[in-house]
Amino acid sequence: KAGVTQTPRYLIKTRGQQVTLSCSPISGHRSVSWYQQTPGQGLQFLFEYFSETQRNKGNFPGRFSGRQFSNSRSEMNVSTLELGDSALYLCASSPHRGLDGYTFGSGTRLTVV
Amino acid sequence: AQTVTQSQPEMSVQEAETVTLSCTYDTSESDYYLFWYKQPPSRQMILVIRQEAYKQQNATENRFSVNFQKAAKSFSLKISDSQLGDAAMYFCAYIVNRDDKIIFGKGTRLHILP
Repeated sequence: KAGVTQTPRYLIKTRGQQVTLSCSPISGHRSVSWYQQTPGQGLQFLFEYFSETQRNKGNFPGRFSGRQFSNSRSEMNVSTLELGDSALYLCASSPHRGLDGYTFGSGTRLTVV
Repeated sequence: AQTVTQSQPEMSVQEAETVTLSCTYDTSESDYYLFWYKQPPSRQMILVIRQEAYKQQNATENRFSVNFQKAAKSFSLKISDSQLGDAAMYFCAYIVNRDDKIIFGKGTRLHILP
């Protein structure tokens, strides 16, 4: 079956712009999480959604937001981009809980210039 | 604070040899799960092995096994018969039962020498 699909793979944006990243989980998976990966901070949790509800949120400013649709697809949005937002954004899905072990996508590489 | 420490930023091993990656973690929770993830240059994080903290028996997946010492909060990964395809960044991580947030370590870059 298809894995976790993230689009686009690469993105270049200008400071101050906003961006929307998309994630399609594995069919049947209802939990979707987002992580930011940078060389300095490593992997940091952004948020987790289950059945269109945000169940958990990391310590990121309000410029970072997300949502999940009824088909479990998820989007994350970053408004007023800053240079420090340049990172690899990884989406992960699991059937129900993260305890089962998430399946990750290949990420979206965001570069803010 | 919930943390994961991987003390070896980089390691190298000869092909076909065995290598052990170290990991310690800190949590006040008693119900949690531990993972090792592998991230090759393709960027996709791949689940290598999973361990339930309430199980004393160490998890094994083919050439991959763990040494789980709950009292010491240690969770090392042993890779036997190393192959070129094992070259990647390896992340130790855990998740507590009441939460769905994975806490990751900074990673260990593993090189396989032919």
